[in-house]
Amino acid sequence: EAQVTQNPRYLITVTGKKLTVTCSQNMNHEYMSWYRQDPGLGLRQIYYSMNVEVTDKGDVPEGYKVSRKEKRNFPLILESPSPNQTSLYFCASSPRDSLAQPQHFGDGTRLSIL
Amino acid sequence: QKEVEQDPGPLSVPEGAIVSLNCTYSNSAFQYFMWYRQYSRKGPELLMYTYSSGNKEDGRFTAQVDKSSKYISLFIRDSQPSDSATYLCAMRGAGGGNKLTFGTGTQLKVEL
Repeated sequence: EAQVTQNPRYLITVTGKKLTVTCSQNMNHEYMSWYRQDPGLGLRQIYYSMNVEVTDKGDVPEGYKVSRKEKRNFPLILESPSPNQTSLYFCASSPRDSLAQPQHFGDGTRLSIL
Repeated sequence: QKEVEQDPGPLSVPEGAIVSLNCTYSNSAFQYFMWYRQYSRKGPELLMYTYSSGNKEDGRFTAQVDKSSKYISLFIRDSQPSDSATYLCAMRGAGGGNKLTFGTGTQLKVEL
């Protein structure tokens, strides 16, 4: 089954404790991205990657890091999480930077930073 | 002002009703328009996809784009309780990066 898998699905942690949210896709997609979803603000792009070893900032990259060492994986790293990063996070992938291709989303990771 | 405006609802309709969901936008560079459906505790899933102005129909769903008015709509005919979800509009320009700009979503409830 084609899917984007995120882990963990839920996490409660404390300020300053480094955490990583993993994202893996089994569709051999070149393009992957991370979004956060907040009430009243909708989905906002954090970082994206157009291929292995190629990453770029989205609209709200502050406080986040990403890496793309393999095509299938695109982890999101919070080096020193803060309460304003409490949010619902989604990873998405697409076959390539093609205008005709929609983005496939994972089921989300709900992070609470205390 | 946000690039994409969408009424958050909630919108409650009886089963069988015709539902109209709308978004307005300000960026004239947007050329590709999408509607996503998001069930509770799930990621968005693509529902409809259109390019430039015009209509597109898929079963009970019709997407309309009016670029001159910067206005897009999604119509749901014969609405069902299973249509209860949050509907997100999204759009992008012709440039690279595959970056989508989303509306905030409209919460729809279809009641028996």
